[in-house]
This record gives sequence, structure tokens and C-alpha cells, in this order.
Amino acid sequence: KNQVEQSPQSLIILEGKNCTLQCNYTVSPFSNLRWYKQDTGRGPVSLTIMTFSENTKSNGRYTATLDADTKQSSLHITASQLSDSASYICVVKGQAGTALIFGKGTTLSVSS
Amino acid sequence: GAVVSQHPSWVICKSGTSVKIECRSLDFQATTMFWYRQFPKQSLMLMATSNEGSKATYEQGVEKDKFLINHASLTLSTLTVTSAHPEDSSFYICSATSGTGSPEEYFGPGTRLTVT
Repeated sequence: KNQVEQSPQSLIILEGKNCTLQCNYTVSPFSNLRWYKQDTGRGPVSLTIMTFSENTKSNGRYTATLDADTKQSSLHITASQLSDSASYICVVKGQAGTALIFGKGTTLSVSS
Repeated sequence: GAVVSQHPSWVICKSGTSVKIECRSLDFQATTMFWYRQFPKQSLMLMATSNEGSKATYEQGVEKDKFLINHASLTLSTLTVTSAHPEDSSFYICSATSGTGSPEEYFGPGTRLTVT
């Protein structure tokens, strides 16, 4: 069964600190993997999208890594800010014509 | 970046009434639009996929007669929740793809539906 598992479920860090969120998937065949940020009561906003041939991709303070062999991805947030408090969702796209498969997300709280 | 809007952003309706939610792609033509539902602290759940000019494809367990989807143009899709019940209260999110070869799927800001 195609699944996307994220860890931790929730995370609390101090402003200015770094953190890393994990995503494991069993989706096969694999087309691409995305990380989205979703603020409470808002729609998801794309952070990165990677195909199987890409190992890392950055978007400002966000850096995503992908290991297609082990089917693992991580999202690293550098120098966290209060505005980073949100749910971060790992999403995997299988073969063409199939729906996106969503993880349950990691809820990040950045405190001052 | 591509922008997808939704209207209304929130709506409260009485049980038994119908509610229409609009999803618009503002700066690109959306060949395919998707409708999701999200319950509190849960991930997005795909309800249906709609392509412009054709009937929507519904996911298993989603009642097509209850959730009417119309994708009449390349920039507009509508979701109508018919005979709404309190259990239909949820956060409804649409997304769109341009079909230009880009894999990106752009999400709308969501519509909060509360059925009393």
C-alpha cells in the first residue's frame, strides 16, 4: 500500500534554532516528492518539489533532501522564526495520472 | 507564482441547504482541478478530480450526488454541497495544475464550511 509517514508528529523549538523533519514513503513507482507548509486555516503552500534524480533542493531557509533508494526525505529549517509555526506536509506523487499521497504532517511550533 | 483563489473563505449554512464553493485560477489556465476535504488535525483527503469540460472523477466513498462538481472553464471549478448536514462541516481546499508539463499543483486558501 502506498503510504507517506512523517515524524515527529509535533515539534516545539526556540526561535533561532534549527530543526529537521522526516518523511518516509513506500510509494512506487515514484514521480516526485513535495514539501508543503500549511498555516492554520489556510491552504498548503509549496516549499520544494524534487524528482527521483534530485538529492537536495533549497528554498531560502528551507532545505529538502531526498534519498530515493531508501525512500526517505527530510526538511531542514535553519534559524527558525516565529512565522515558521505551521504544519509541514510531505506529499508524494506516484506515476502519472495518480493522485498525490499526503503525509499527516508535522506540526511545528516556534516559541520566543 | 501561480495563484488559486477560493470563494467564500468561510460559510455557515443551515442543515438541509446547499452551498456552492468557487475555485479560480487567477493567472493560468487550469486543465485539471482537484477538490480536497480536511478535518481538524488531519491531512488533506482527495474528494474528486475535474478536468475542464468533462465529468469529475470521484474518489471511493465520496457521494457524487451530494458533492456536485462543475469545471465549466479553464479558470473556474465549483463544488456544491447539496443538502448539507453537520457532518459535512469541514475545510474544503481546491488545487489546480496547468498541464504545461510542470508537476506543480497550486492550492487555494481553503473554505471553512460550518453546517448548523
